[in-house]
Amino acid sequence: DAKTTQPPSMDCAEGRAANLPCNHSTISGNEYVYWYRQIHSQGPQYIIHGLKNNETNEMASLIITEDRKSSTLILPHATLRDTAVYYCIVPPYDKVIFGPGTSLSVIP
Amino acid sequence: ETGVTQSPTHLIKTRGQQVTLRCSSQSGHNTVSWYQQALGQGPQFIFQYYREEENGRGNFPPRFSGLQFPNYSSELNVNALELDDSALYLCASSLALWDPNTEAFFGQGTRLTVV
Repeated sequence: DAKTTQPPSMDCAEGRAANLPCNHSTISGNEYVYWYRQIHSQGPQYIIHGLKNNETNEMASLIITEDRKSSTLILPHATLRDTAVYYCIVPPYDKVIFGPGTSLSVIP
Repeated sequence: ETGVTQSPTHLIKTRGQQVTLRCSSQSGHNTVSWYQQALGQGPQFIFQYYREEENGRGNFPPRFSGLQFPNYSSELNVNALELDDSALYLCASSLALWDPNTEAFFGQGTRLTVV
């Protein structure tokens, strides 16, 4: 299974871009990178996923390096409601493994 | 709202008892996964069901068992409850097991407290 590593915590000023990194050096060619977030005591929320091209949706942008060994989730204008734990996941076919994630605190 | 619903939302049980948690998957989704999330930790994979068959299991003892029904809803059963089983139990549904380009949607979870 591909493994991911993320910083345990980050702070971001409200209104600024939040850039959350993830390393997934053992990713294989057909494995997608997924990002989820979990606001306190709620179920994880899907944010975005990608294979090798950069992706953007209404919530965030995902930048994947050319060698696919790392990626960055970008929240372009962080708000207080973006305070959550962010999980970077490379799911194999049969299960999804969550690491400890990055706890993002958006500061007023 | 993800379309994945779990019941009950909260539950208190006594050590040694049995519990059944329920999950209704999003319409059209045939794969359901269950996770246990202890306080302050990330979700831990319990098992996954695809078209009523178990497909993949994490490091959980056999007293954790499950079912998936023809309408793809699912149950998680835990026998002989222990205090350490106290956690948030999450259900996730997805469209197709073998398609890596499909996201999973989570319910809001069932908070189980064992006393």
